[in-house]
Amino acid sequence: GNSVTQMEGPVTLSEEAFLTINCTYTATGYPSLFWYVQYPGEGLQLLLKATKADDKGSNKGFEATYRKETTSFHLEKGSVQVSDSAVYFCALSVPGANSKLTFGKGITLSVRP
Amino acid sequence: GAVVSQHPSRVICKSGTSVKIECRSLDFQATTMFWYRQFPKQSLMLMATSNEGSKATYEQGVEKDKFLINHASLTLSTLTVTSAHPEDSSFYICSARADLETQYFGPGTRLLVL
Repeated sequence: GNSVTQMEGPVTLSEEAFLTINCTYTATGYPSLFWYVQYPGEGLQLLLKATKADDKGSNKGFEATYRKETTSFHLEKGSVQVSDSAVYFCALSVPGANSKLTFGKGITLSVRP
Repeated sequence: GAVVSQHPSRVICKSGTSVKIECRSLDFQATTMFWYRQFPKQSLMLMATSNEGSKATYEQGVEKDKFLINHASLTLSTLTVTSAHPEDSSFYICSARADLETQYFGPGTRLLVL
């Protein structure tokens, strides 16, 4: 079956620090990979995605590269802001008529001034 | 990105009553919508897949008679929690599939059953 594993949290960083959140996956077929962000009290927002190996998704300073050889999709940002404090979910789906998202457990990021 | 709305955003009800939650895709048509449940500090649990014009497909362990899903149009799916009990209190999130790869999520509905 499909699964997504995220590093254990929570993560607390100072503003302008470098961020890495690890994500690895197992999947049948050729999955698309996603990072979603959830701000307090809100639903999920798509942060970025990559649909094939070596693709790099990027948005709002965040980046993640689809690494098929290591089955990873680590999220990075060079300089975090207080406003980046949220829960981050890594997810995958195998494209198709019945595709569903499989989520990791999520990790809470807190950025202090 | 595309916009998905949910209504209400928050609801408090008495035990034994039924609650309806609406999920709308505002700027695109969605033949498929999904309903999730999220417990505090946990990931999303897929409850069911809602397909326009047909019966919903429920995940294992989800009671279809308790969580009624109706996907009557290409922009609206509803989840009705019937005879709600305190253990049904949770954060319910819907999503609408825009293409084979991408889902857009609603802001969620917080249900509290007293």
